[in-house]
Amino acid sequence: DAGITQSPRYKITETGRQVTLMCHQTWSHSYMFWYRQDLGHGLRLIYYSAAADITDKGEVPDGYVVSRSKTENFPLTLESATRSQTSVYFCASRSGGGEKLFFGSGTQLSVL
Amino acid sequence: DQQVKQNSPSLSVQEGRISILNCDYTNSMFDYFLWYKKYPAEGPTFLISISSIKDKNEDGRFTVFLNKSAKHLSLHIVPSQPGDSAVYFCAASAQDTGRRALTFGSGTRLQVQP
Repeated sequence: DAGITQSPRYKITETGRQVTLMCHQTWSHSYMFWYRQDLGHGLRLIYYSAAADITDKGEVPDGYVVSRSKTENFPLTLESATRSQTSVYFCASRSGGGEKLFFGSGTQLSVL
Repeated sequence: DQQVKQNSPSLSVQEGRISILNCDYTNSMFDYFLWYKKYPAEGPTFLISISSIKDKNEDGRFTVFLNKSAKHLSLHIVPSQPGDSAVYFCAASAQDTGRRALTFGSGTRLQVQP
């Protein structure tokens, strides 16, 4: 099916572990984004990418790493997970000429 | 420092009445505004948008009003339906940043009572 998919849907990990959240889109959108949703903060931008091999930091990038070797994939890695990274993570994409973002269903991450 | 603010965390209205959700912004470079709707366990979905060259945009039951001088926008839902119960996020972007990303507010949870 066309669209934007995230995996896993739910993830429980321990502090200090590395974990990777996956994001895949089938629209060939040039822009991709990672946001985290926390109560009282809404959606905050972690990283974004304007094209393959081009990434940039958002508002809350510390503790996260991204890569974009292919246009359709934009994985987010927590190198050493901390409890403060417990959150719901949303991947989004948009075309180069538009303003509207299309979101995935999210990954609920718990760091124990 | 939140550049987009939604000061009402929640709102409850009766079915058939008007729902008014408010949003304020501080960055004068924002020139495009969007509203997203989010149901539990789903990603946000686009609802309606407005450019700063307009002060109103309608789409069916949904109308967004923009007051640039007050740096304020509002979303009106008329009439409200139980299916409208969700969290609504206001978002903004700026041309001077190449519209690289949207800046979101903290959201307002709308509950429409049958």
